[in-house]
Amino acid sequence: GDSVTQMEGPVTLSEEAFLTINCTYTATGYPSLFWYVQYPGEGLQLLLKATKADDKGSNKGFEATYRKETTSFHLEKGSVQVSDSAVYFCALSDSGGSNYKLTFGKGTLLTVNP
Amino acid sequence: EAGVAQSPRYKIIEKRQSVAFWCNPISGHATLYWYQQILGQGPKLLIQFQNNGVVDDSQLPKDRFSAERLKGVDSTLKIQPAKLEDSAVYLCASSSLGTLATDTQYFGPGTRLTVL
Repeated sequence: GDSVTQMEGPVTLSEEAFLTINCTYTATGYPSLFWYVQYPGEGLQLLLKATKADDKGSNKGFEATYRKETTSFHLEKGSVQVSDSAVYFCALSDSGGSNYKLTFGKGTLLTVNP
Repeated sequence: EAGVAQSPRYKIIEKRQSVAFWCNPISGHATLYWYQQILGQGPKLLIQFQNNGVVDDSQLPKDRFSAERLKGVDSTLKIQPAKLEDSAVYLCASSSLGTLATDTQYFGPGTRLTVL
């Protein structure tokens, strides 16, 4: 079945540091890939997505590239801010017949210190 | 555009009691999802509705969980009787179609359930 494996947390960085959160996936079909973010006390929000190989999703300075050859979708940001502190979830959407559903990784807690 | 609404935000019950959660999706969204998110894990799909029909409930513990989506809009998720291991955040999400891999799911704030 489908699965998503992402980097174990927690990750603690200083402001302006470079961020990478690794994500790899296993899927039976040709999935779309997503990063969702969950800020403290809030619901999941879509951060970015990519729907085909070599696509790059980007938003709020974050980016991730859909790498079919390595089945990866690593999240990167060049300079993190304290406001980026949150839990980040990698997810894939694959067909279970006529419907598509999301399969999530376990999440990575990011803490950014001033 | 209003987002996905859920209530209540928090609920504390004792084991063997029953509880119900309510969700109102984004207007016009055909597909509605209920997820269970246990602390430290990613959300797990419990049930997916397309309009008012169930398209996937393979991971719903049907001996104690039930869900309905009357008139293809609002939805209710019920647990009866609750167990300690049901303590989790219950998330509702909706998407416009649900029939494309590229569809984005929009999540509500969740209901945090604590079973004592």
